[in-house]
Amino acid sequence: QKEVEQDPGPLSVPEGAIVSLNCTYSNSAFQYFMWYRQYSRKGPELLMYTYSSGNKEDGRFTAQVDKSSKYISLFIRDSQPSDSATYLCAMSGSGGYNKLIFGAGTRLAVHP
Amino acid sequence: NAGVTQTPKFQVLKTGQSMTLQCAQDMNHNSMYWYRQDPGMGLRLIYYSASEGTTDKGEVPNGYNVSRLNKREFSLRLESAAPSQTSVYFCASSEGSNSPLHFGNGTRLTVT
Repeated sequence: QKEVEQDPGPLSVPEGAIVSLNCTYSNSAFQYFMWYRQYSRKGPELLMYTYSSGNKEDGRFTAQVDKSSKYISLFIRDSQPSDSATYLCAMSGSGGYNKLIFGAGTRLAVHP
Repeated sequence: NAGVTQTPKFQVLKTGQSMTLQCAQDMNHNSMYWYRQDPGMGLRLIYYSASEGTTDKGEVPNGYNVSRLNKREFSLRLESAAPSQTSVYFCASSEGSNSPLHFGNGTRLTVT
């Protein structure tokens, strides 16, 4: 079993929809949680970065961490075609530089 | 501000050939990383350099070597390329442990 599980999709939604992207994990020591967005043929770019549990909001994006369920989510409100990309979750504990574990990514398509 | 720059963008090698992938960052980051990304596998750490003068193995180091040339530059060398090394290679940098990673746009390598 992988340490971080992420549904690969693809997820197809109409413009304006609310999108929910999720990851589950097995390591209770994870404390740092990140979401990256990756456009086709580009490198991942950081979207959200949270420490421990709770919510964090940035514009149309909200990241949630539920450590009791070992479950993290990224919500995108009023989705736009420009949000079409692959979304990667990543997480780590206190182990340091080599301990960042990535999910395989969920491909999202927002159609007009 | 270029961020993380990788060269070349594309490369085709024959089995047994060698090559070096170059990476440079202009954010004055201490730590640098090399990842490979394969379909369904997510990003996997090959090598990392926590600080100038140090390098350490990641999850999949076999067949690769690295050099932290200075604080800005971190190169990845394939001494004898194999078809299993066909992948997209990403360089990343961060301020330090558990800090978010900043990625380059990747090198697409095909080994025939």
